[in-house]
Amino acid sequence: GDSVTQMEGPVTLSEEAFLTINCTYTATGYPSLFWYVQYPGEGLQLLLKATKADDKGSNKGFEATYRKETTSFHLEKGSVQVSDSAVYFCALQGGNKLTFGTGTQLKVEL
Amino acid sequence: GAVVSQHPSWVICKSGTSVKIECRSLDFQATTMFWYRQFPKQSLMLMATSNEGSKATYEQGVEKDKFLINHASLTLSTLTVTSAHPEDSSFYICSVLGWASVSSYNEQFFGPGTRLTVL
Repeated sequence: GDSVTQMEGPVTLSEEAFLTINCTYTATGYPSLFWYVQYPGEGLQLLLKATKADDKGSNKGFEATYRKETTSFHLEKGSVQVSDSAVYFCALQGGNKLTFGTGTQLKVEL
Repeated sequence: GAVVSQHPSWVICKSGTSVKIECRSLDFQATTMFWYRQFPKQSLMLMATSNEGSKATYEQGVEKDKFLINHASLTLSTLTVTSAHPEDSSFYICSVLGWASVSSYNEQFFGPGTRLTVL
């Protein structure tokens, strides 16, 4: 079945540091890939998405490229801020169902 | 995208009572909604798929008599946790399946979640 593997957290960075959160997936067919962000006590917000190979999703300085050859969708940001502290979930959509990774907590300190 | 609300945002109840959580699609007619459960510091687990006018489809291991889902209209789905116990305490999140016109495919839009605490 479909599965998503993402790096374990927590990831602790200083403000303005470079961020990478790794995500790899296993799926049949050609899934769409997503990154969601969850702030404390809140539901999920879509951060970015890519629907086909080589697509790059981007939003709020975050980027991720759909790499079919490596089955990866790593999340990157060049300069993180304290306000980016949250839990980030990688997910794939096969059909209408979403499969989530376990989430990576990011803590950004001054 | 669709705007999704949940009510209540948090609820505390006594063990043995039933709790109803509402999920509303505010600006979109949703034929399909999803219910997820999230334990602290864990990922979302799909509980069931709710289709308007028909019975919900439950994931393996989810007790359908425990978690009653009603999707009676295109804008409302409800999840009732019956005879709640402390182990049912969790964060429940719904989503609406909608058409993302920009990218031309179906996408899930999430509600803000409901925190249930059973004493």
